[in-house]
Amino acid sequence: GAGVSQTPSNKVTEKGKYVELRCDPISGHTALYWYRQSLGQGPEFLIYFQGTGAADDSGLPNDRFFAVRPEGSVSTLKIQRTERGDSAVYLCASSYLIGNEQFFGPGTRLTVL
Amino acid sequence: SQQGEEDPQALSIQEGENATMNCSYKTSINNLQWYRQNSGRGLVHLILIRSNEREKHSGRLRVTLDTSKKSSSLLITASRAADTASYFCATAPREKLVFGKGTKLTVNP
Repeated sequence: GAGVSQTPSNKVTEKGKYVELRCDPISGHTALYWYRQSLGQGPEFLIYFQGTGAADDSGLPNDRFFAVRPEGSVSTLKIQRTERGDSAVYLCASSYLIGNEQFFGPGTRLTVL
Repeated sequence: SQQGEEDPQALSIQEGENATMNCSYKTSINNLQWYRQNSGRGLVHLILIRSNEREKHSGRLRVTLDTSKKSSSLLITASRAADTASYFCATAPREKLVFGKGTKLTVNP
């Protein structure tokens, strides 16, 4: 596909459960970013990867959140012991190089009951 | 934390009118980007302006940047109902983007 894709588009889970959110960046883009957007707010940075390594994970709210990008392409955001406050739209973006424009996927809407 | 502040928070205009949105930020930046978002989902990249640029055009969009005032503006000319969306400025002090809360633009037909 031509754009960034994210799966699932919607995820409903129960408090305390584990979830994985997937991001497929644009082919050839070296940088991949995760953001979280709560209702009525702008997206907030979580973590970004340059290649396979997490170059900056300063936005992850706590150690329940973890992300990987093992082969430098697809990334998975993992949330353990979900809490109701984790409910938000999780957005993934990629860019050809660091500092270039970022292209966003449609997001995954996570609802924690 | 969110660095950018868009102004106004909401804007309602008639089709054909121009819409101007402003963004202020706090720290030095490498570039500033404007995005559009429909219905709270995917963000569409509109334009990127680098810190050494003052003005940039793309179709009906005009973006200005004043680094001395730490501010930017987005002008949409001859607005259309399809321009109805939320608009965000995002600053790039480094690699990650820092977004404001956005301006909700409504263009009435």
